[in-house]
Amino acid sequence: GAGVSQSPSNKVTEKGKDVELRCDPISGHTALYWYRQSLGQGLEFLIYFQGNSAPDKSGLPSDRFSAERTGGSVSTLTIQRTQQEDSAVYLCASSSGLANYEQYFGPGTRLTVT
Amino acid sequence: KNEVEQSPQNLTAQEGEFITINCSYSVGISALHWLQQHPGGGIVSLFMLSSGKKKHGRLIATINIQEKHSSLHITASHPRDSAVYICAGVFMDSNYQLIWGAGTKLIIKP
Repeated sequence: GAGVSQSPSNKVTEKGKDVELRCDPISGHTALYWYRQSLGQGLEFLIYFQGNSAPDKSGLPSDRFSAERTGGSVSTLTIQRTQQEDSAVYLCASSSGLANYEQYFGPGTRLTVT
Repeated sequence: KNEVEQSPQNLTAQEGEFITINCSYSVGISALHWLQQHPGGGIVSLFMLSSGKKKHGRLIATINIQEKHSSLHITASHPRDSAVYICAGVFMDSNYQLIWGAGTKLIIKP
């Protein structure tokens, strides 16, 4: 069946521009996570959506970062006024949302800010 | 402090060798993921376990709840197993967000 998909796979943008990254979770999965992995670094939690509950935004690094999840399905991560330190692979994962359920990862979006 | 510690950081072995990667975790973590990340960056979930042992092909994962320790084993290793292997703890009090280990870079030489 279809897994988690993300688009675009690669994005090169100029410093100061806004970017939107998209995640399509597995159908029926109520939980959705965004992570990022900077070059040479481990994975960093950004934000978590669970059903209709308020998202857990505790991992967002600055107010330039925001995310939405429309209709409990597709999610968009928006980075405003991009900086070079935003360059990273942005990964999305989804799970069925129950305790200890596996997270299924998308292929990631590689963002390069020049 | 919620932590996941992985060892070794780097591991190089010859094809056919038995591989073990270890992960220790702190109180508050209720389960562990083992994930594989290839050079292209994509992540594949290998196992998630909260007790006992799981096996899939040449991969075996074990967890000891009392000792807060998990291991990932690869039998009859092959160059295509070369990747970064990451253990990640499911932290029960934080919306089940993952607490990541630093990863183990595995290289299997032919």
